[in-house]
Amino acid sequence: QKEVEQDPGPLSVPEGAIVSLNCTYSNSAFQYFMWYRQYSRKGPELLMYTYSSGNKEDGRFTAQVDKSSKYISLFIRDSQPSDSATYLCASRGAGGTSYGKLTFGQGTILTVHP
Amino acid sequence: DAGVTQSPTHLIKTRGQQVTLRCSPKSGHDTVSWYQQALGQGPQFIFQYYEEEERQRGNFPDRFSGHQFPNYSSELNVNALLLGDSALYLCASSLGAGNSPLHFGNGTRLTVT
Repeated sequence: QKEVEQDPGPLSVPEGAIVSLNCTYSNSAFQYFMWYRQYSRKGPELLMYTYSSGNKEDGRFTAQVDKSSKYISLFIRDSQPSDSATYLCASRGAGGTSYGKLTFGQGTILTVHP
Repeated sequence: DAGVTQSPTHLIKTRGQQVTLRCSPKSGHDTVSWYQQALGQGPQFIFQYYEEEERQRGNFPDRFSGHQFPNYSSELNVNALLLGDSALYLCASSLGAGNSPLHFGNGTRLTVT
C-alpha cells in the first residue's frame, strides 16, 4: 500500500464549477500537508501548505486536513480553464528523518472546459 | 527574485553511461532536495543536501549520488544508466533542513535509450 493514495482521474468539469480533490494517507507520523499544481512540462508549484488538522483558505483555494480519518482535500471555487493541470498532494513528518522527504500522491489530472 | 533553476532541460543518454544534472536553489535558500518523477506518477524523494552533506536519502541505489557546493547549488549524478532511469528529475530548495516548504524547479527530462 502506498503511503499517500490519490485518484489519478482524469477529472473534467465546466468552467465555474467547484472542484474537490482528495487524498488519503496511512502514515500517522505525517504532520505537514501540501498541495502542488503541475502544468505540463513544468515543475510542481506550491499552492497550499498546512500543519496538522483544520482548514486553510487562500483565494479560490481551500485545503482541509482531517487527521482522524487521514483524509486531505483541496477545493477550488469558480474553477477556470487556467486551473487545468495535475494536482499533487504531499505529506511529511514533523522532524528527524522526515524533514526533507515529501511523500507524494500519484496526482489528479484536472481539465476545466469553457 | 530567481526561482529554482535546473540544467539541462532535456538530455538523452545511452544505457551504461553516466549523467550529471545541475540545480541552483531559489535566492535565500540553503537546502536542496532531488526527486524523480516517472511519467504519470508523483515525484519520489532521492536525497536532500544541507550544509554540503547528504542529510536524508530515499530508496534509491548507490548509482545515484550528489553534491552540494558552498554557494548551495547542487549536482545529481547517476552512474550506469538503466532504461528505467528515464524520468523527470526535479530539484527543490528550501530554507534550512526543517519544515519550510519546498519550491521546485522545472526539472530535467532524462531519456535513456
